[in-house]
Amino acid sequence: EDQVTQSPEALRLQEGESSSLNCSYTVSGLRGLFWYRQDPGKGPEFLFTLYSAGEEKEKERLKATLTKKESFLHITAPKPEDSATYLCAVRPLPYGQNFVFGPGTRLSVLP
Amino acid sequence: DGGITQSPKYLFRKEGQNVTLSCEQNLNHDAMYWYRQDPGQGLRLIYYSQIVNDFQKGDIAEGYSVSREKKESFPLTVTSAQKNPTAFYLCASSRLLVAFFGQGTRLTVV
Repeated sequence: EDQVTQSPEALRLQEGESSSLNCSYTVSGLRGLFWYRQDPGKGPEFLFTLYSAGEEKEKERLKATLTKKESFLHITAPKPEDSATYLCAVRPLPYGQNFVFGPGTRLSVLP
Repeated sequence: DGGITQSPKYLFRKEGQNVTLSCEQNLNHDAMYWYRQDPGQGLRLIYYSQIVNDFQKGDIAEGYSVSREKKESFPLTVTSAQKNPTAFYLCASSRLLVAFFGQGTRLTVV
């Protein structure tokens, strides 16, 4: 069964304290792995797509990496406005399979 | 602006009542989805549609119904058969691999 887990469940950082969020996945084949940011009471906002092991994507203070079993979202020198829930999702093979979402990591960045 | 519009933002339902959540997109996406989000759980798929006039049940379709008469619109009806409907409902659409989401509707049973 296709499955996505995320750790930690919640993370509290001081402003400027870099860290990483983990997304572990079990799928028969991977079409793509996705990271989203979700603010309270809002819909998820798309951040990155990763397609193959070794791939990396960056956006401002965020950098996503992918291996054959997991993905990391690295947050460098975070600011309070980075506080949100970060969701990971995969789209398994074969073509036509729908998204499988993880439960998310709730990030709080304190000033 | 291109995007996905969900309405209303908040909805209150009485016991035994059916309610309909609206989802409209102007992104020209073929596929549309409805998800339910509960605290501490990942998004769970209710229904999805890959093309107009066709839709498929997701993992938790019981107590819900949908229609897809137009490419732009994918309304979700929460029926009285859904015993625990209080949740945050998210509509999404996709053209290739990536899903884009609306801002959600929070449904509360009163």
